[in-house]
Amino acid sequence: GAVVSQHPSRVICKSGTSVKIECRSLDFQATTMFWYRQFPKKSLMLMATSNEGSKATYEQGVEKDKFLINHASLTLSTLTVTSAHPEDSSFYICSARLETGVMNEQYFGPGTRLTVT
Amino acid sequence: QKEVEQDPGPLSVPEGAIVSLNCTYSNSAFQYFMWYRQYSRKGPELLMYTYSSGNKEDGRFTAQVDKSSKYISLFIRDSQPSDSATYLCAMNTGFQKLVFGTGTRLLVSP
Repeated sequence: GAVVSQHPSRVICKSGTSVKIECRSLDFQATTMFWYRQFPKKSLMLMATSNEGSKATYEQGVEKDKFLINHASLTLSTLTVTSAHPEDSSFYICSARLETGVMNEQYFGPGTRLTVT
Repeated sequence: QKEVEQDPGPLSVPEGAIVSLNCTYSNSAFQYFMWYRQYSRKGPELLMYTYSSGNKEDGRFTAQVDKSSKYISLFIRDSQPSDSATYLCAMNTGFQKLVFGTGTRLLVSP
């Protein structure tokens, strides 16, 4: 099956610093990747759609200057949380879309737990 | 009204039981339907995907779509304690973003 990795799996940072999270599709190329945020016992909240070689599309209410997304290659997208605050603490999950022509399944990474102190 | 409704549970069953997980939706344009399994503190894992109405079987899992009723189901036969997880339904109209249900937490006791 299609495999997506995320790094780091967990990170603790101080308030005001920036954190970068990487999302890689390991055995397929992904033109499109997605970034989600998940609160405890809640469903996935889509933050943005990342398109290789172009600007990301952000969902309503998501600050694009705070959550910087770069999709520089067909296998790598990064999310940078800038000037992190404790309220940014959350579980961040990426997914990569496998385009098969008929179905286009999304495969998820294992997630990154961010704690801002 | 949410686009996708899913009972959050928890749903508790004994080992060996048949489990039925369900979602309803309001957008008749949805054509692609997926079920994901998510263990605690892990990313969702794609279990099943179907296009349009009908049934699809994979081992102990059966996905069912009834577009006329806007209702989808995931059945798990011979449930195991290792099936204990949160099950998320998701759907879209094609290449657009997925719309997720809230997830149903399943607990299978030995």
